[in-house]
Amino acid sequence: QKEVEQNSGPLSVPEGAIASLNCTYSDRVSQSFFWYRQYSGKSPELIMSIYSNGDKEDGRFTAQLNKASQYVSLLIRDSQPSDSATYLCAVRGTALIFGKGTTLSVSS
Amino acid sequence: KAGVTQTPRYLIKTRGQQVTLSCSPISGHRSVSWYQQTPGQGLQFLFEYFSETQRNKGNFPGRFSGRQFSNSRSEMNVSTLELGDSALYLCASSYTGTGEYTFGSGTRLTVV
Repeated sequence: QKEVEQNSGPLSVPEGAIASLNCTYSDRVSQSFFWYRQYSGKSPELIMSIYSNGDKEDGRFTAQLNKASQYVSLLIRDSQPSDSATYLCAVRGTALIFGKGTTLSVSS
Repeated sequence: KAGVTQTPRYLIKTRGQQVTLSCSPISGHRSVSWYQQTPGQGLQFLFEYFSETQRNKGNFPGRFSGRQFSNSRSEMNVSTLELGDSALYLCASSYTGTGEYTFGSGTRLTVV
């Protein structure tokens, strides 16, 4: 099965800082890329999707895609304690495959 | 707008038994996918259905099966339960099936 790799963390940042989350994938034919957020005890929720190379911004979130390097990232600007969660990278090839997630902790 | 509904929320079963989990997608969503979530392995893909057809299947043994009905509701079945099947089973629905999914709250299965 195709793989999606993420650093498990925890990634700790102070409130107001930029959090940078990274993801690599193995399936070169993947076309669609997603970031989901999962709070402890809750289900994943979609926060960003990106389909073409470059950056996509949505509020405090920026997703970056580099298909040549098979690399996806998520930047969270002005991090808040409410951003503390596990962030899951998901890649769509023949199926939607998730990485194991990076745990982000934002301290106030 | 109703979300994705999974029933039951919790199940306790004995090794060797079988279990059926149910998922009702968001109205109008034709794609339903199932995932198994465990602390060690994360979210692992089980099946994907689109308009009653299984589009993809993950790397799970044949004891795991599923189906989708004409109203897009889906069920998954696990036969001959093993202790290692204890997990949170999540269902997700999508209108297009590309990956913009809405997840249900999950069914927590415990095998004893």
